[in-house]
Amino acid sequence: DTGVSQNPRHKITKRGQNVTFRCDPISEHNRLYWYRQTLGQGPEFLTYFQNEAQLEKSRLLSDRFSAERPKGSFSTLEIQRTEQGDSAMYLCASSLDREDEQYFGPGTRLTVT
Amino acid sequence: LAKTTQPISMDSYEGQEVNITCSHNNIATNDYITWYQQFPSQGPRFIIQGYKTKVTNEVASLFIPADRKSSTLSLPRVSLSDTAVYYCLVVYSGAGSYQLTFGKGTKLSVIP
Repeated sequence: DTGVSQNPRHKITKRGQNVTFRCDPISEHNRLYWYRQTLGQGPEFLTYFQNEAQLEKSRLLSDRFSAERPKGSFSTLEIQRTEQGDSAMYLCASSLDREDEQYFGPGTRLTVT
Repeated sequence: LAKTTQPISMDSYEGQEVNITCSHNNIATNDYITWYQQFPSQGPRFIIQGYKTKVTNEVASLFIPADRKSSTLSLPRVSLSDTAVYYCLVVYSGAGSYQLTFGKGTKLSVIP
């Protein structure tokens, strides 16, 4: 257990539905990251926060994806109008600061039917 | 075009040293190169991080040449429990963007 938790661990949804995932980072960590990982691939960067500010979003990130980190604590990732191509493992990580190692949560596995 | 390249897979016998190289042209000059280990159905786990030259910790060494266009993770005396996928993580930055990029991973199989 790295200290980063994600909920739910698994989510099955029908195409077109909205889903929201939650990440609780290590409490003193300033940075929080979201990644997506499909089978046989490395994690793909989606976005990151420095405290409550979202500083970067991947250019590949669809407008259907949005993330928040209110008060610089937990974060949520919402996917609107899900598509089958959104099926993947969604990973959250946190770090103390930019130069520090990232601690990953166990991930949320999304299946869109 | 930013690209990070690793061998897809490697096999090694127990007790041998394993070296996995990641190629990463044009990475950001001010950010670390980091390596992670991942087991099935788990999030990646930090192994080692470095900026240049050589870094060693209790589980691995990391070699980074002066041009920083590649990095090599060295695992001494691997055991069966080291069977996993290994990823390098680098930063590409430019034109105001900051992109964290994982390699596609190297699947290491340790043979008894």
